[in-house]
Amino acid sequence: EPEVTQTPSHQVTQMGQEVILRCVPISNHLYFYWYRQILGQKVEFLVSFYNNEISEKSEIFDDQFSVERPDGSNFTLKIRSTKLEDSAMYFCASEKDIAFEQYFGPGTRLTVT
Amino acid sequence: GNSVTQMEGPVTLSEEAFLTINCTYTATGYPSLFWYVQYPGEGLQLLLKATKADDKGSNKGFEATYRKETTSFHLEKGSVQVSDSAVYFCALILYGSARQLTFGSGTQLTVLP
Repeated sequence: EPEVTQTPSHQVTQMGQEVILRCVPISNHLYFYWYRQILGQKVEFLVSFYNNEISEKSEIFDDQFSVERPDGSNFTLKIRSTKLEDSAMYFCASEKDIAFEQYFGPGTRLTVT
Repeated sequence: GNSVTQMEGPVTLSEEAFLTINCTYTATGYPSLFWYVQYPGEGLQLLLKATKADDKGSNKGFEATYRKETTSFHLEKGSVQVSDSAVYFCALILYGSARQLTFGSGTQLTVLP
């Protein structure tokens, strides 16, 4: 069964460094998402992406964040200058079409020291 | 805005016990409702969904009924197994301009043999 994959599973970085989190969505899906979950808190929406552009973003998704689908298979989340409060589990999701279900990857645990 | 309130955990049950995890929601429109499950070390998996009032979603012995009058979507299972130990998330989505899932805080379930 097709699944969403994410790499790395765990990333440790120093404050102020740039990180790129990678996701490979399910191949025939059209909508892509990033969510995050700070330890002990709710899963929060960050951004949705469709037709090579951002369709929605939350207040969390400020200028330090960017997303890209560079080659038709990968979907990346970049954090330009990480802060301690960016430490969280980051989930990628994809969806085949509107009103279908979002399928989640296993997550990348980001630790900022 | 939209929000999901979920029963606080953790919940510990003996095998074959009856499970109820309460979920209520607030939404500005007519949402679709979901239960996601996260097994240890894995991503979020869709467990079941309901898209309109009085719909019952079911999967793997779990059920939840979309109750518009009480704005609830409680998860139930008649006889839990040790393998059901996981974190359960209630979520909603309003399709349209906003395609983001809004999650509850999650309920940790532990089933003891």
